Amino acid sequence: SQQGEEDPQALSIQEGENATMNCSYKTSINNLQWYRQNSGRGLVHLILIRSNEREKHSGRLRVTLDTSKKSSSLLITASRAADTASYFCATDAHGDYKLSFGAGTTVTVRA
Amino acid sequence: DTAVSQTPKYLVTQMGNDKSIKCEQNLGHDTMYWYKQDSKKFLKIMFSYNNKELIINETVPNRFSPKSPDKAHLNLHINSLELGDSAVYFCASSPTGTDEQFFGPGTRLTVL
Repeated sequence: SQQGEEDPQALSIQEGENATMNCSYKTSINNLQWYRQNSGRGLVHLILIRSNEREKHSGRLRVTLDTSKKSSSLLITASRAADTASYFCATDAHGDYKLSFGAGTTVTVRA
Repeated sequence: DTAVSQTPKYLVTQMGNDKSIKCEQNLGHDTMYWYKQDSKKFLKIMFSYNNKELIINETVPNRFSPKSPDKAHLNLHINSLELGDSAVYFCASSPTGTDEQFFGPGTRLTVL
């Protein structure tokens, strides 16, 4: 079964708005990662947050991690049309690089 | 200068056939993976190799056999293809000791 579950399944926003998506997982983790997948392409790594971290930033991305609630959020600020993609969270539970992915959130940014 | 490449990009074949998908990475990574993404976009790990040694082997039918001739290549051979094998297969790699994985563009397999 999938370790992570993203919410919402789909999100449609206007260019310039912020997009927030959440990921919940079931077991304790070593780290949590977010990936982006453009249509018909492979996944691209966005950001990794370790279990002892609470927040991380990378450009327009902000990731939070709440291990007590077993959840993470990804915020994309000032969205652009190029941000249209599916976003996946992936958890590494045992530090063995075996990632468990959720089903993803599909984000559509309207011009 | 593609980092992780896969061939072919599309593969259409009949049930019962045997097919292979090739993966190569030029990043110098020690670890390579195969993932299967189904029609609902669920991505599931199948295999992982570290320096040509199998380290992860999920519950995958024996019809699937990975082969790593060297640490830059990880091929996937599938025997007796079934309709349920239709999916997108992704190869990925990562440096040993780190967690970020680099994905190939995927191979869309359609079994008729």
